[in-house]
Amino acid sequence: EIVLTQSPDFQSVTPEEKVTITCRASQNIGSNLHWYQQKPDQSPKILIKYASQSILGVPSRFSGSGSGTDFTLTINSLEAEDAATYYCHQSSSSPWTFGQGTKVEIK
Amino acid sequence: QLQLQESGPGLVKPSETLSLTCAVSGVSITSGTYYWGWSRQPPGKGLEWIGVIYYSGTTHYNPSLESRVTISLDTSKNQFSLKLSSVTAADTAVYYCARNVEIWGQGTMVTVSS
Repeated sequence: EIVLTQSPDFQSVTPEEKVTITCRASQNIGSNLHWYQQKPDQSPKILIKYASQSILGVPSRFSGSGSGTDFTLTINSLEAEDAATYYCHQSSSSPWTFGQGTKVEIK
Repeated sequence: QLQLQESGPGLVKPSETLSLTCAVSGVSITSGTYYWGWSRQPPGKGLEWIGVIYYSGTTHYNPSLESRVTISLDTSKNQFSLKLSSVTAADTAVYYCARNVEIWGQGTMVTVSS
């Protein structure tokens, strides 16, 4: 099973600050890595698919990079509405797995 | 516009079978190279992948659940389903259906309790 390890687990950030969340895979997963945002009592919402592909309707301040085992989600100029938990998810090999989540709080 | 909606009992007794359905609107479940899957999230915890079924009918399951889980397509109703047998309190969670990695349903809470 491929283990995804996110860092940090928690981040407290001021508005307009840049946020970087990393996801490290225990094996090479190519670009089969996706990023989600989840707010309380809501379903996960996809932000980035296949490491760096943008999603229609997602603000351009969200971007993804990486391949192989190391991936990054970047939020440029954080807004108050970005307070949420962020998850990475790999679909390279079964069982697909999720990272443990990174909670982003607005100061 | 594609929409997914989960439905099923919100309360299941221990040792019984949990059965959920995901109704798909806006696209045929047999069209294109789509796959349809289930994940779950225990209260206050992270996400766990349950399994996926491809439009061809091929399935892949999480080994931790494989002995108890079945995912199937119902093309006549344009929906797919999840069955999880011999449930325990550890199966209490919000269950989500999804298409590929992009489109998720709103989720449905299932509690396992007598």
